Amino acid sequence: NAGVTQTPKFRILKIGQSMTLQCTQDMNHNYMYWYRQDPGMGLKLIYYSVGAGITDKGEVPNGYNVSRSTTEDFPLRLELAAPSQTSVYFCASYKGAGDQPQHFGDGTRLSIL
Amino acid sequence: GENVEQHPSTLSVQEGDSAVIKCTYSDSASNYFPWYKQELGKRPQLIIDIRSNVGEKKDQRIAVTLNKTAKHFSLHITETQPEDSAVYFCAASRGGGNQFYFGTGTSLTVIP
Repeated sequence: NAGVTQTPKFRILKIGQSMTLQCTQDMNHNYMYWYRQDPGMGLKLIYYSVGAGITDKGEVPNGYNVSRSTTEDFPLRLELAAPSQTSVYFCASYKGAGDQPQHFGDGTRLSIL
Repeated sequence: GENVEQHPSTLSVQEGDSAVIKCTYSDSASNYFPWYKQELGKRPQLIIDIRSNVGEKKDQRIAVTLNKTAKHFSLHITETQPEDSAVYFCAASRGGGNQFYFGTGTSLTVIP
């Protein structure tokens, strides 16, 4: 199993540009999450999904959109990039049953200039 | 919702000493508590977890204790080594619940 795979690993965007951060998992996990981590800070939840077709806002959803058309994929969309969105973005998945941990991807380092 | 507090935010220890990181939580329904280690530029990785029906769990030099009554849990690292230097995050969740609630992290430095 590859686990949770995120692409790209690095990206530089100009203000106002759009992009999609990709996340896919091969563990057949029901739950998937997007977090952002600013330098020296903790994890802030952006959006999460408990299954295909279902998404919910987290703590900091403004400026982002998500979709979940399949169990495997959970892309994060930035429509109008702003400098405040410069961060490291982590995708995570979780089986959704019992006491199990989240599994994280390697992250996408995004800079908005 | 759940609120997880983590202390200290930074911790420096001499190699070979022990390190203790403490977290408190507010939701008595939380029953699963994982700990993650994040090395610089890397993803958070699970190092140990504990369920609410257990008071302590050990894995070599790492142990976690849970006090359900007081709603706090702690990570203990013994015989610290330089490679233990990282940021450690605690988290709390309800088993089968939607969300994991993370502490703000502890930056551990082990001085050789």
